[in-house]
Amino acid sequence: GENVEQHPSTLSVQEGDSAVIKCTYSDSASNYFPWYKQELGKGPQLIIDIRSNVGEKKDQRIAVTLNKTAKHFSLHITETQPEDSAVYFCAASRGAHNAGNMLTFGGGTRLMVKP
Amino acid sequence: GAGVSQSPRYKVAKRGQDVALRCDPISGHVSLFWYQQALGQGPEFLTYFQNEAQLDKSGLPSDRFFAERPEGSVSTLKIQRTQQEDSAVYLCASSSTRGAGYTFGSGTRLTVV
Repeated sequence: GENVEQHPSTLSVQEGDSAVIKCTYSDSASNYFPWYKQELGKGPQLIIDIRSNVGEKKDQRIAVTLNKTAKHFSLHITETQPEDSAVYFCAASRGAHNAGNMLTFGGGTRLMVKP
Repeated sequence: GAGVSQSPRYKVAKRGQDVALRCDPISGHVSLFWYQQALGQGPEFLTYFQNEAQLDKSGLPSDRFFAERPEGSVSTLKIQRTQQEDSAVYLCASSSTRGAGYTFGSGTRLTVV
């Protein structure tokens, strides 16, 4: 089955700096890669996703890159703010959720943004 | 409703007790998933429903775990004879046919003492 590794497990940055979180996956059939933000006591919230036919996707201060050959993808957050502090999870899936394809999650990265 | 609703938010069970966790998905969402999240880890897949049909239960850790969605809407995850290792947050997620991604509920934190 799929195995997703995520690094680093904790990341501390100064407000305004950039943060980068990296993930690798093992299943070459995976083609959908979402990122989730989880705040204390809440469920994971989808913040951005990328499909295998695209190498990069950007949404305001958040961007994700995908290298299918190397089987790794990364989350980039620019101009970090204290409210970005949370646990971030990467995930991989073989396809659409409506077809029942489950997500395999990484172990999470605790991001702390210091004001 | 506006989001996925799970109840109870917290549940403390004595070892050996049975528990039932409820999930109210977003209205009209066909797909429903249950995940288990141990402390400090990522969620792990338990089971999947498409409408009332349970199409994948490969992630259920033992036969003490049972899930149902009899009318294709509300789902219940039942754990029989709870053990300490069952302590975790149980997350429910639903998705529309447009495959726009999951919406997770806030989860039920189960503590077995």
